[in-house]
Amino acid sequence: AQKITQTQPGMFVQEKEAVTLDCTYDTSDQSYGLFWYKQPSSGEMIFLIYQGSYDEQNATEGRYSLNFQKARKSANLVISASQLGDSAMYFCAMREGGSFNAGGTSYGKLTFGQGTILTVHP
Amino acid sequence: ETGVTQTPRHLVMGMTNKKSLKCEQHLGHNAMYWYKQSAKKPLELMFVYNFKEQTENNSVPSRFSPECPNSSHLFLHLHTLQPEDSALYLCASSASPSTSGGVYNEQFFGPGTRLTVL
Repeated sequence: AQKITQTQPGMFVQEKEAVTLDCTYDTSDQSYGLFWYKQPSSGEMIFLIYQGSYDEQNATEGRYSLNFQKARKSANLVISASQLGDSAMYFCAMREGGSFNAGGTSYGKLTFGQGTILTVHP
Repeated sequence: ETGVTQTPRHLVMGMTNKKSLKCEQHLGHNAMYWYKQSAKKPLELMFVYNFKEQTENNSVPSRFSPECPNSSHLFLHLHTLQPEDSALYLCASSASPSTSGGVYNEQFFGPGTRLTVL
């Protein structure tokens, strides 16, 4: 089974409207972290927002918020008031707590989803 | 220079060539990563270095050879590549999970090297 699933290959939104990008994950770890990255056409991956598995509140960073539903294993990204510059590829990623065993071999391993291309129309 | 830099930004090479990709981070991090991003596939982790020691090799073919001389620099040496190795190669760095603990160690990415193998 895939660890991170992004079911929307592409999404379209009108400028100034909100959009939700879906992400579901699969893990048996109790401790894990979920990340969203933005990748513009230039190629650089830009960190947007982080949600820890023990965080009780949904993470927010400016226009970005993460709709974290732990029981459903979903971590959807909500972008409010979309801007033309938001057009990019968006990746959901997960780091599992088991990656940090003493003497472990998977320090810092992030598993990425396949991404969603967001297009913002004027 | 700030953040994570990668050179070259674009590289075209033949299957018999030997080339190297360079990554440098100016963030004081101790963990560095190589990822491969092929078209229509998720990012694939290739290698992880933690305090200059390789801690992850994700079944990467030996024609890719990483080198981490210090915590600020990471190289990926390429030789006898195949056309299917054409991809965007991304370098990232983070605080070392082994010292800072927890699962929150944001990875900062470089702009990538777009590699084309002819």
